Amino acid sequence: NAGVTQTPKFQVLKTGQSMTLQCAQDMNHEYMSWYRQDPGMGLRLIHYSVGAGITDQGEVPNGYNVSRSTTEDFPLRLLSAAPSQTSVYFCASSYYRGRGIGYGYTFGSGTRLTVV
Amino acid sequence: SQQGEEDPQALSIQEGENATMNCSYKTSINNLQWYRQNSGRGLVHLILIRSNEREKHSGRLRVTLDTSKKSSSLLITASRAADTASYFCATDENSGYALNFGKGTSLLVTP
Repeated sequence: NAGVTQTPKFQVLKTGQSMTLQCAQDMNHEYMSWYRQDPGMGLRLIHYSVGAGITDQGEVPNGYNVSRSTTEDFPLRLLSAAPSQTSVYFCASSYYRGRGIGYGYTFGSGTRLTVV
Repeated sequence: SQQGEEDPQALSIQEGENATMNCSYKTSINNLQWYRQNSGRGLVHLILIRSNEREKHSGRLRVTLDTSKKSSSLLITASRAADTASYFCATDENSGYALNFGKGTSLLVTP
């Protein structure tokens, strides 16, 4: 089924460990992004990309790295996990035709991360 | 930073009633979108309204946009228990494409 696939669905990390959250889409969407969702905080943008080789920071980028080597994949790396990074992480994608031209996002089902 | 703010934070109605949620934002936008999130799931896109549109319909959903008041409303008519979810508005205020989401309205529809 076409869509956004996130792996893993659940993960427990120890403080200081690193890991990569995977995100892949098969809709040939140019735009991909990562959000974190915390209770009472809504969704906050971490990083986004408008195409392969292009990434930019969102509202809360500290502690996270991204790269976009292909159109399909947009992995999120936690460099040194901290308890404050305990959250649910969502990847989303959409078409991109330029600034101001909006399209609806397709979201993945999320990765629930706990850092102890 | 988060720009869209939904009101109310929580809404409880009975099946068959209409549900209205509001969203306010701070600066100019190109488009505003509404999403639904069922508990423990990802967000699902409901509707997109562009800044030059005033009203849009999709099934039982009606969205209005008032750019002079920087506000939008989502109306769900004849609510069903299956409409129980959180509803988020999102705008492209800062970048023209990256969406900023509000904190959402939690809707409970009881049979």
